[in-house]
Amino acid sequence: NAGVTQTPKFRILKIGQSMTLQCTQDMNHNYMYWYRQDPGMGLKLIYYSVGAGITDKGEVPNGYNVSRSTTEDFPLRLELAAPSQTSVYFCASRWTTGQETQYFGPGTRLLVL
Amino acid sequence: KQEVTQIPAALSVPEGENLVLNCSFTDSAIYNLQWFRQDPGKGLTSLLLIQSSQREQTSGRLNASLDKSSGRSTLYIAASQPGDSATYLCAVGMNRAAGNKLTFGGGTRVLVKP
Repeated sequence: NAGVTQTPKFRILKIGQSMTLQCTQDMNHNYMYWYRQDPGMGLKLIYYSVGAGITDKGEVPNGYNVSRSTTEDFPLRLELAAPSQTSVYFCASRWTTGQETQYFGPGTRLLVL
Repeated sequence: KQEVTQIPAALSVPEGENLVLNCSFTDSAIYNLQWFRQDPGKGLTSLLLIQSSQREQTSGRLNASLDKSSGRSTLYIAASQPGDSATYLCAVGMNRAAGNKLTFGGGTRVLVKP
């Protein structure tokens, strides 16, 4: 199993541009999460999903959108990128209730200039 | 709103010394607490998960305790090695029904000197 994979690894965006961060897991996990980590800080939850077709906001959802059309994929969309969105983005997944351990991808480093 | 704090932010110890990492949280009505390890430029790796009904969890040289009433958890790493150098984060899960969303502390960066 590849686990949780994220693409791209690194991206530079200009202010106002848009992009999609890709996240795929091959563990048949129901739950998926998007976090951002600013330098020297812990992670903050952006959006999460409890299954295909079901998504909900986390702590810092403004400026982002998500969709979950399949169990495997959970893309994060940035519209109108702003310098405040410069961060490292992590995708995570876990199986189901009672199996709480989250498995993380390697992250996408985003720089907005 | 749950707040999670990890003090100190950084710690340096000589090899062989035991490590003690602290995590405190403001709302004791937690569902579980997890400890993660993060290597530079990498994702997070889960180390231990403690359910709210448990007092501690052990895995090899690692032992994590949980005291819900005082809002604290401690991660002990016995006989530290240079390979233990990393950032350690604790995260609190509050609500099983709402996907067990995690609130993270800021992490403790650990350096184990040979």
